[in-house]
Amino acid sequence: AQKVTQAQTEISVVEKEDVTLDCVYETRDTTYYLFWYKQPPSGELVFLIRRNSFDEQNEISGRYSWNFQKSTSSFNFTITASQVVDSAVYFCALSEASNTGKLIFGQGTTLQVKP
Amino acid sequence: IAGITQAPTSQILAAGRRMTLRCTQDMRHNAMYWYRQDLGLGLRLIHYSNTAGTTGKGEVPDGYSVSRANTDDFPLTLASAVPSQTSVYFCASSVTGTSGNNEQFFGPGTRLTVL
Repeated sequence: AQKVTQAQTEISVVEKEDVTLDCVYETRDTTYYLFWYKQPPSGELVFLIRRNSFDEQNEISGRYSWNFQKSTSSFNFTITASQVVDSAVYFCALSEASNTGKLIFGQGTTLQVKP
Repeated sequence: IAGITQAPTSQILAAGRRMTLRCTQDMRHNAMYWYRQDLGLGLRLIHYSNTAGTTGKGEVPDGYSVSRANTDDFPLTLASAVPSQTSVYFCASSVTGTSGNNEQFFGPGTRLTVL
C-alpha cells in the first residue's frame, strides 16, 4: 500500500539556519512521482517540486534543495539560510502511475523560522 | 477568474443540513479533486474526476458526493452533515488525471464547521 511519512511534526529554527524536512514513502509501483507543497499561514497550497522515480538527481533551486534516494525511499527537502518567510507547513506527497493522478500526502511538517 | 475558486470561504453548518461546496477552474484542466485537511492527517482525497462526466472515490468518500457536468465545475455535496466533517476542504485540478506526473493546482480552501 502507498504511504508517505513525515516524522517531524514541528521544527523551529532561527533565521539563517539550515533545516532539512524528512519524507519517507512506501509504494509497490516502479513508476511513481514525488512532490513537495508549501502551505503558508494564508492557507493556500503552493507547488514546489515534482520528481519521478527514474530521476534520482538532486535538485537545487535557490535556497531550496531536494535529495531523492530510492535506496532509502526518501525525498528530503533542505532549506539553506532559512528566512522568516519560509515559515509554513510543508507537505510531501506521492502519486503512483498505477493510481493515476491521486496524491497521497504525508502528515505535514510545520516549520517555524524565528527572527 | 484566475486558477481555481472555491465558495464559500467558510461556513458554519448545523448537523443534518445539506451543504454544497463549489469549485470552479478556468484552466481547462481535465482532472479535478476534492481533499479534506485535518490536523495531523495531512490532506486526504475524497473524490476525483478524470474528465467531465466521470467521477471516482478517493480515500475518504463516505458522506460526500460529487458531480462533473462540465470541465470547469466540480461541486462537493454533504447530504447530511455530521460534526466529523468539520475540516478544511480543498479543490484541486491537474491537466490530466491519467498520469501521476502532473502537478495539482489547489484552490484557496473552504473552512467548514459542523455543529
